[in-house]
Amino acid sequence: NAGVTQTPKFQVLKTGQSMTLQCAQDMNHNSMYWYRQDPGMGLRLIYYSASEGTTDKGEVPNGYNVSRLNKREFSLRLESAAPSQTSVYFCASSPFWIGSEQYFGPGTRLTVT
Amino acid sequence: GEDVEQSLFLSVREGDSSVINCTYTDSSSTYLYWYKQEPGAGLQLLTYIFSNMDMKQDQRLTVLLNKKDKHLSLRIADTQTGDSAIYFCAENPGNTPLVFGKGTRLSVIA
Repeated sequence: NAGVTQTPKFQVLKTGQSMTLQCAQDMNHNSMYWYRQDPGMGLRLIYYSASEGTTDKGEVPNGYNVSRLNKREFSLRLESAAPSQTSVYFCASSPFWIGSEQYFGPGTRLTVT
Repeated sequence: GEDVEQSLFLSVREGDSSVINCTYTDSSSTYLYWYKQEPGAGLQLLTYIFSNMDMKQDQRLTVLLNKKDKHLSLRIADTQTGDSAIYFCAENPGNTPLVFGKGTRLSVIA
């Protein structure tokens, strides 16, 4: 089992460019999540998906969109990147209900210039 | 609202015990979790405790839970340099995503 995988590992964008961060899990988990991590701010939830076909906003959804493509894959899209979106992005999944333990991917380090 | 509080920094000498503390807000949380994040990596589930337990031991790790005070602690015995990391506690306030603390950065001095 690879667990939770994220691509790319690193990305540099110019302001206004768009990109999609990919996340996949091979553990047959129901729920998936996107977080951003900034120094001193801890983890902040962007969006989550309780099950295939559903998505919900988290604490900081502005500037992002998500797609739960199937049970395995949950992508995060930045339509028009801004320097404030420079961060480390983590995808996670959990096996049971939305409040069960989460398993994290290795992260994508995004810089917007 | 929901808020999980942790101190930001802890420094210990190699071989000593480390105690990382956390307070949470939701008394209905069924499970409480500890995660470890090493530099440049994602969060790794370290251990968890069910809310009807007071203590859980797993090798060098001991988790203590005081439900009355909503206080959770993680004790690492014989702390090693490889234990240097950020440790996050998290609560599960029902059918919503986990709520994480901001993390405690543990530095182990050789």
